[in-house]
Amino acid sequence: ILNVEQSPQSLHVQEGDSTNFTCSFPSSNFYALHWYRWETAKSPEALFVMTLNGDEKKKGRISATLNTKEGYSYLYIKGSQPEDSATYLCAFSSSNTGKLIFGQGTTLQVKP
Amino acid sequence: NAGVMQNPRHLVRRRGQEARLRCSPMKGHSHVYWYRQLPEEGLKFMVYLQKENIIDESGMPKERFSAEFPKEGPSILRIQQVVRGDSAAYFCASSPSGDWGGYEQYFGPGTRLTVT
Repeated sequence: ILNVEQSPQSLHVQEGDSTNFTCSFPSSNFYALHWYRWETAKSPEALFVMTLNGDEKKKGRISATLNTKEGYSYLYIKGSQPEDSATYLCAFSSSNTGKLIFGQGTTLQVKP
Repeated sequence: NAGVMQNPRHLVRRRGQEARLRCSPMKGHSHVYWYRQLPEEGLKFMVYLQKENIIDESGMPKERFSAEFPKEGPSILRIQQVVRGDSAAYFCASSPSGDWGGYEQYFGPGTRLTVT
C-alpha cells in the first residue's frame, strides 16, 4: 500500500512568521510530486508539480523542494499572511497513468 | 477559459436510488480523473478516463460504481443503488495529458452527495 504522510496535521502561526511543512512518500517508483492549496468551500488549486530529484520551485512567497531518493518534499511559506490560511495537500504519482495518491494535508491558520 | 465544471453541486438521494455526477473538463483537456473524499478522510483516487476509454479504475468500488467519458459531452460518474456509505464529496479533475503524473490536474468544485 502506497502511503503519503504529511506533517504537521495543523499549524497556527502569526502573520509575518515563516513556516514549512513536510510530505513523505515512497521513494521507489517515483513519477511526480504535486502540491495543492485548498481553501474551504473552493477547489484544490495546483501550486507545484515536481518531477526531478533536487527540484526547487517558487511562486511568490511559497517554495518547495524535492528529494526523491529519501522520499520527502518540503513546502515553505515566507512571511505568512492571513490569506495563506488553507489546507496544503501533497500528492504522489507512482504510475504512468497520472493517478495521484494524496496525503491528509496540513491545515494552516495565520492569525493577523 | 472556464475551469472544470461539476454538477450538481449538491445531490440528495434516498437509499436504493441512482446518483449521476457530471464533470466537464477544462477546454482542451481530454483526461479526466475522479476522486472521492469520505467524511474525515483525504482525497482518494477512483478512476482515470480519456475520451471513450477507461485507463485506470483501480480505485473504483467493484460494484454499483461506473464511469464514462463519451466522445461528446461530460464525464459521468454513476452510482447505482446508493447506500449511506456513499455519502461523500466527489471531485473531478482534468489535465491536458495523463502521462506519468507530470501535468497539473485542475479540480472542479465537487459534488456533495448525501444519501438519506
